[in-house]
Amino acid sequence: GQQVMQIPQYQHVQEGEDFTTYCNSSTTLSNIQWYKQRPGGHPVFLIQLVKSGEVKKQKRLTFQFGEAKKNSSLHITATQTTDVGTYFCAGQSPGTGNQFYFGTGTSLTVIP
Amino acid sequence: DAGVIQSPRHEVTEMGQEVTLRCKPISGHNSLFWYRQTMMRGLELLIYFNNNVPIDDSGMPEDRFSAKMPNASFSTLKIQPSEPRDSAVYFCASNRGGIEAFFGQGTRLTVV
Repeated sequence: GQQVMQIPQYQHVQEGEDFTTYCNSSTTLSNIQWYKQRPGGHPVFLIQLVKSGEVKKQKRLTFQFGEAKKNSSLHITATQTTDVGTYFCAGQSPGTGNQFYFGTGTSLTVIP
Repeated sequence: DAGVIQSPRHEVTEMGQEVTLRCKPISGHNSLFWYRQTMMRGLELLIYFNNNVPIDDSGMPEDRFSAKMPNASFSTLKIQPSEPRDSAVYFCASNRGGIEAFFGQGTRLTVV
């Protein structure tokens, strides 16, 4: 099946530092979504990227979709304690239906 | 809308017993997904329904697992017989048209 890997698996940062998580797919994706899961919670949708090379911003969060549509990144500028959680990418492949395959996730800890 | 509703929220059962997890998707959503989350394996897609029809069940671990969607507003995931290694958080999610997936609160299953 489709493999979606994320690095790093864990990241500890001081509050105010930047954070980046990278997502890599073994196959070309039709689109990619990003989700955030707070400790003890459920994944919550953040954004969807569709176009090759697309960049989208949500306040301090910047999402990028690679030119080959096989990788993506999420960058958080000046982390805050509210950013704590696990960030997942989820890829959808062309012609495989509506299902999304989640990456392995990056767990972010922000130290005050 | 109340969102995706899962029940029960917590389930503790003895090995060998049958377990049934329930999900009510968001009204109007035509796709439903069952995921299993563990520390070791992350978020795994178990099965995906589109318009109540199972499209991809390649993620179902083995014959002990079965899922049904008798109508657009209800789905079940059954494990019979349950084993300790089935302990995990099981999420149900729904969406419409391949856009963001809305997750339920999850069912935390413990098999002792």
